Amino acid sequence: ETGVTQSPTHLIKTRGQQVTLRCSSQSGHNTVSWYQQALGQGPQFIFQYYREEENGRGNFPPRFSGLQFPNYSSELNVNALELDDSALYLCASTLDRANYGYTFGSGTRLTVV
Amino acid sequence: DAKTTQPTSMDCAEGRAANLPCNHSTISGNEYVYWYRQIHSQGPQYIIHGLKNNETNEMASLIITEDRKSSTLILPHATLRDTAVYYCTPLQGGSEKLVFGKGTKLTVNP
Repeated sequence: ETGVTQSPTHLIKTRGQQVTLRCSSQSGHNTVSWYQQALGQGPQFIFQYYREEENGRGNFPPRFSGLQFPNYSSELNVNALELDDSALYLCASTLDRANYGYTFGSGTRLTVV
Repeated sequence: DAKTTQPTSMDCAEGRAANLPCNHSTISGNEYVYWYRQIHSQGPQYIIHGLKNNETNEMASLIITEDRKSSTLILPHATLRDTAVYYCTPLQGGSEKLVFGKGTKLTVNP
């Protein structure tokens, strides 16, 4: 049981549209990261939030943005969707990464057509 | 980013030990090595992590070489449910990001 819930599980969007993906972490998990996983590849780091502030970002354009809320939920927003944005989007959170691993959700499968 | 090299695939007989190697020769001194696995259509599952010392938990053992350039994940008694893609990934301090490669596809055979 992961303790990290993502919604929706699947989503189809049209190129150019905007999308919001949601993640609900376990209580106390004040660090949340988002990853993009293309088919056949390992997850790629998008960004990380700690106590509602972004504190790390991967090689993704500004149209990928996020929010973290005090209730341990978070959002990933993607504007101006492109076909290459089709992927599995994963949310991961941790209480203390030095002593615990990140707990991943099952992901949202986004298809851009 | 620290680079990792893992075999593309491995096979193991059910009940035998599975030893999954990972080369991380460019790892920095303060980077932990994490192991995750991913079963098809699910999110990665944390297995174990370490910095310098060998580690053991209820799932697996992690052996890290003294020079920290490589590590081996050991599943002592593999079961069919251990069939998955296994990722060795350093955790970069500062950016706090996990750097995933393509991993090793482990198939446990009956």
